[in-house]
Amino acid sequence: AQTVTQSQPEMSVQEAETVTLSCTYDTSENNYYLFWYKQPPSRQMILVIRQEAYKQQNATENRFSVNFQKAAKSFSLKISDSQLGDTAMYFCAFMKVPNSGYALNFGKGTSLLVTP
Amino acid sequence: DVKVTQSSRYLVKRTGEKVFLECVQDMDHENMFWYRQDPGLGLRLIYFSYDVKMKEKGDIPEGYSVSREKKERFSLILESASTNQTSMYLCASRTSGANTGELFFGEGSRLTVL
Repeated sequence: AQTVTQSQPEMSVQEAETVTLSCTYDTSENNYYLFWYKQPPSRQMILVIRQEAYKQQNATENRFSVNFQKAAKSFSLKISDSQLGDTAMYFCAFMKVPNSGYALNFGKGTSLLVTP
Repeated sequence: DVKVTQSSRYLVKRTGEKVFLECVQDMDHENMFWYRQDPGLGLRLIYFSYDVKMKEKGDIPEGYSVSREKKERFSLILESASTNQTSMYLCASRTSGANTGELFFGEGSRLTVL
């Protein structure tokens, strides 16, 4: 089974600053996807960013980017120019490929607070 | 706009009661999932279904069962609710086949068992 570890239960950052959330995973698979999901307070979970393991280039979505280190099995999320609306729980997740029927394995989450 | 709807946002039940949590998606997705979310434990997979009438156990299936009679609906059943099943329950769906695997989530059902 794949395990996903988020070592930072809580983090805080000031508005407009940059913050990095850590994630490591353990797998023997060579082909897989990695995800960061965001869960704002009392709202539904949404996808922030995803990375295919076969791609060497790090994924980027506006202010969100990842640092994917396949050999180290590390997948960190960088949030630039943090905004108050970024306050949320962030979950790192893993999914092996092919994916038909396979579920995502989630980490325990990091609670991020963005302060004015 | 994609939609996963969970029938109840908040439920309070008594120990021993039978509890049904309903989830409906309007995206014609083949795969549907039930996760349980607890503070400090993240999301843990209870059951998933990759097609109508098909189901697979996840990591913590004990005390739960599921039903998928129609493609759009996936129900989670607690046959005899216990206090340790007090939790947030998240339903999610996803298309199968060659895709990026993104899950679409409902808003969650917060269950309290007294």
